[in-house]
Amino acid sequence: QKEVEQDPGPLSVPEGAIVSLNCTYSNSAFQYFMWYRQYSRKGPELLMYTYSSGNKEDGRFTAQVDKSSKYISLFIRDSQPSDSATYLCAMSRGAGNMLTFGGGTRLMVKP
Amino acid sequence: EAGVAQSPRYKIIEKRQSVAFWCNPISGHATLYWYQQILGQGPKLLIQFQNNGVVDDSQLPKDRFSAERLKGVDSTLKIQPAKLEDSAVYLCASSLGWDPKNYGYTFGSGTRLTVV
Repeated sequence: QKEVEQDPGPLSVPEGAIVSLNCTYSNSAFQYFMWYRQYSRKGPELLMYTYSSGNKEDGRFTAQVDKSSKYISLFIRDSQPSDSATYLCAMSRGAGNMLTFGGGTRLMVKP
Repeated sequence: EAGVAQSPRYKIIEKRQSVAFWCNPISGHATLYWYQQILGQGPKLLIQFQNNGVVDDSQLPKDRFSAERLKGVDSTLKIQPAKLEDSAVYLCASSLGWDPKNYGYTFGSGTRLTVV
């Protein structure tokens, strides 16, 4: 069993839809949780970062962490075609520690 | 701010050949990482440097992979000899280290390696 599980998709939604992306993990030592967006043939770019449990909002993006369930989510409101990419969750045990990534979910937002 | 630079962008080699990748991190970033991303998978850490010292190389296949970071700036990753299963994108990333406002890495665009 992988430490971090993520549905590979693809997830196809119409423009303007609310998108929900999720990851589950098995290692209770993870404390830092991140979401990265990766466009084709590009490196991942950091979208959201959360420490421990709770919610964090940034524009159209909301990240949620539920450590009791070992479950994290990323919500995208008013999705745009430019949001079409692969979304990777990542987590680490401590500051400066290595990141463990999920396999990524491919999202397609259709105009 | 200039990003993380990597070269070459693409490389095709035959199995058992050797190959080297180069990375120039963001100026001032003390921490440098090499990740391997196989098609359809998330990145997997190969090695982490803090300045020019190795912090974590537990997942680096040391019988064929080597990496160095001279003078705590640029880094090279080498594979010798290459195997078919080494076909992947090799991503370099750098970070300031622990900074609550800037936590997270900045990745380069990667080097896409195909071993035939």
